[in-house]
Amino acid sequence: DVKVTQSSRYLVKRTGEKVFLECVQDMDHENMFWYRQDPGLGLRLIYFSYDVKMKEKGDIPEGYSVSREKKERFSLILESASTNQTSMYLCASMSGRGETQYFGPGTRLLVL
Amino acid sequence: GENVEQHPSTLSVQEGDSAVIKCTYSDSASNYFPWYKQELGKRPQLIIDIRSNVGEKKDQRIAVTLNKTAKHFSLHITETQPEDSAVYFCAASRLMGGGTSYGKLTFGQGTILTVHP
Repeated sequence: DVKVTQSSRYLVKRTGEKVFLECVQDMDHENMFWYRQDPGLGLRLIYFSYDVKMKEKGDIPEGYSVSREKKERFSLILESASTNQTSMYLCASMSGRGETQYFGPGTRLLVL
Repeated sequence: GENVEQHPSTLSVQEGDSAVIKCTYSDSASNYFPWYKQELGKRPQLIIDIRSNVGEKKDQRIAVTLNKTAKHFSLHITETQPEDSAVYFCAASRLMGGGTSYGKLTFGQGTILTVHP
């Protein structure tokens, strides 16, 4: 069974803080993704990675960066958190030969 | 890039009725169309998917149809039950071919389905 975990379920941060969200998968998947989920907007791709140290911008990368130093771990970084980054953040992973993306439980981030 | 539109945004049905959710996509090169279900407070999970070489796929009470010419696909749930209540997302992707688009999903806006007992 694929397991994708995220470091926090809920997080409260202040404007301007640097925020780290971590995602870990245990299935040796090559591809990992970060989305944010907002009501009425669906899931929007922030960044994805198809290999260690490789990253590609998604549809809304502004204000975010990512790090993939190990295959199982994909981190999302908010360099200077702003209130408009208050959202639900979902991580997903997928095999390099697969189709299905497996999601983590999500991190609900509130930026005050 | 790809753009996926999903309708309706909310859908309310009585238990036992059918529910239909429709999506359109813009990129004719998209060839993989999954549907995810997200129950309240839980993670999205794949419920059914279809590739562009197939027009219809069924799995018990759930079916998906694809019209490549019109670039739209639909989710059909028959004999709805209260446990079908959730948010449903359609998505489109280009699975084959190289480049960085591999595996990248573009999601629709989501449909909140409520099944009343």
